[in-house]
This record gives sequence, structure tokens and C-alpha cells, in this order.
Amino acid sequence: EVQLVGSGGTLVQPGGSLRLSCTASGFTFSSYWMSWVRQAPGKGLEWVANIKQDGSEKYYVDSVKGRFTISRDNAKNSLYLQMNSLRAEDTAMYYCAKAGPRAGDFDYWGQGTLVTVSS
Amino acid sequence: EIVLTQSPATLSLSPGERATLSCRASQSVSSYLAWYQQKPGQAPRLLIYDASNRATGIPARFSGSGSGTDFTLTISSLEPEDFAVYYCQQRNKWPLTFGGGTKVEIK
Repeated sequence: EVQLVGSGGTLVQPGGSLRLSCTASGFTFSSYWMSWVRQAPGKGLEWVANIKQDGSEKYYVDSVKGRFTISRDNAKNSLYLQMNSLRAEDTAMYYCAKAGPRAGDFDYWGQGTLVTVSS
Repeated sequence: EIVLTQSPATLSLSPGERATLSCRASQSVSSYLAWYQQKPGQAPRLLIYDASNRATGIPARFSGSGSGTDFTLTISSLEPEDFAVYYCQQRNKWPLTFGGGTKVEIK
């Protein structure tokens, strides 16, 4: 059974930093692209970042470029999102998601970890 | 950026009725469109990928169609557990984008 367990979300002040983690099991982690998708309270879904199997390619939504960094450790079956210079508009539930064989959609999702940016 | 527009925003139907949800792209996404279902307090679930392919374990009452810029998700006969929010998403070009969602509510 595929499982994605996210962690690291908390209350942080504007301008602060946070690192989200996601631990995967139930599939060969190193064989798939991985993603972060977020959802602001009461709003729709927004893709944040993708990373290729070996970490050689990374893509970001414009609003987080230069502030967020996606990374992975295949030996630990883990995905990360380093979030710097946080803004109020980054407040959201952050979902870790496994990309399907097609790389650009999401066939399994974690339960989400909540990031709140507020003073 | 490819903008996906979903309509209607809300669909009020009764169990057993047919639901037809629309997703229109601002430019062609070929067949690279997926549909997701999200229930309150839960993560989204993949229903359809590449416009018309059901994901693993998805019931046959869910079907997708379309290509280019116009896509449809059809639920042939609504079950009580189908009342939820549905999102479309394109993977044709970076950045990946989602539509704003259609809420299917009980009439």
C-alpha cells in the first residue's frame, strides 16, 4: 500500500523559514517524480514544485521561485520542501504527492501538513 | 501559464442523477488532463488521467472525454459518496495548473 506521510508544518512568522518532510513507503520511491501541492484555507489546489527521480530536474510555480527548494533523499525514501522568506499568502495545507508514470499528474497523496504564516 | 476554467462552480443534483462537469483550457493541452475528487478534510484522489483513462480502483460510473481545450467529466449515476469537489489539472506545460473546482452538492 502506498503511503505518504508529511510533517513539519507549523505556525511561523512572516519572513521565517520552514522545512517540510514527506516519508514514502509502499512503492519504489527512486523510480518516480515527486511533487508538492498546496491548498490555502477554503481555496482550490495549487501545484508548487516537482522533482525528477534523481533530483536532476526541478520545477516550481513562479510565486515560490527563489524562496522554496524541493529536494529528495532516495536512500531515505524522503521528499523535502525548504521554504524561506515565508509570506502570509503561503499559508496552506501542503500535500506531498507521488507523480504517476506520466510524471505530471498525481496518483497518490499524503494527508497534508498545515503551514500557517502569521505574526 | 495555461488557465483551466471549470463550470459550473456548483452543481446541485440528487442521488441517481447524471453529473456533467466541464473544464476548458486557455490553450490546447492535447489529452494531458486529469480529474481529481476531494472530500472535506481529505486529500484529493485521482479519478481520470490523460482525459479518459480511469485510475486504479475508480468505479466505471466515472468517465472522462475531450481533447485540446474542452473536457468533460461525467458521473453516470450519482452515489451518496460522490458529493464532493472536483478539480481538473493539466500536465501539458509547466507550470502544472488546476482548475478552480466544481462542487457537486446534494439537491
